[in-house]
Amino acid sequence: DAKTTQPTSMDCAEGRAANLPCNHSTISGNEYVYWYRQIHSQGPQYIIHGLKNNETNEMASLIITEDRKSSTLILPHATLRDTAVYYCIVRVRGRIGGKLIFGQGTELSVKP
Amino acid sequence: DSGVTQTPKHLITATGQRVTLRCSPRSGDLSVYWYQQSLDQGLQFLIQYYNGEERAKGNILERFSAQQFPDLHSELNLSSLELGDSALYFCASSVYSREGVDTQYFGPGTRLTVL
Repeated sequence: DAKTTQPTSMDCAEGRAANLPCNHSTISGNEYVYWYRQIHSQGPQYIIHGLKNNETNEMASLIITEDRKSSTLILPHATLRDTAVYYCIVRVRGRIGGKLIFGQGTELSVKP
Repeated sequence: DSGVTQTPKHLITATGQRVTLRCSPRSGDLSVYWYQQSLDQGLQFLIQYYNGEERAKGNILERFSAQQFPDLHSELNLSSLELGDSALYFCASSVYSREGVDTQYFGPGTRLTVL
């Protein structure tokens, strides 16, 4: 699975959009981009995933560049409860199961 | 609430002891994964079961073992416990989708403290 690079930490003002970048320059055509978050010692929470098109769900939007070498997770109106570590993970399509490789992630602090 | 349940929430035990952690996957999910999260190692994959069969292994110690039962719940057994085994242990479950990927949903974890 391709390696990802994320900033160590970011701040965001409450009510503003939080844009979390992820670099995955070695991604291959059959690999999906997944985002999870972990709120202090809780179980990681699935947010969203995508292959090449932009995706949106009730939690967030995922923007993937045309060359697929990077992506941005957007939380449109961040709240204090969005303070968490956000993990960008690349996974191969077509595999039954397989581990998630968690890097260091981005520690997002949403401030009032 | 992910639908994955884990018991117990907290476990405190002594070195040398043996414990069993239990995980119930979401209804219909065939795969169960175990992960360990310690302060210095981050989230590390231990082992995966798919429909009762071991599918993949990570850096799981020989003192640790797991199994998945016919009703698809799973247990992680940790024996001869050492101080360094103190960690959060997470279980995740998934179902293989038509897209060709599986999305893992995590339980709330079991916090193990070895004294």
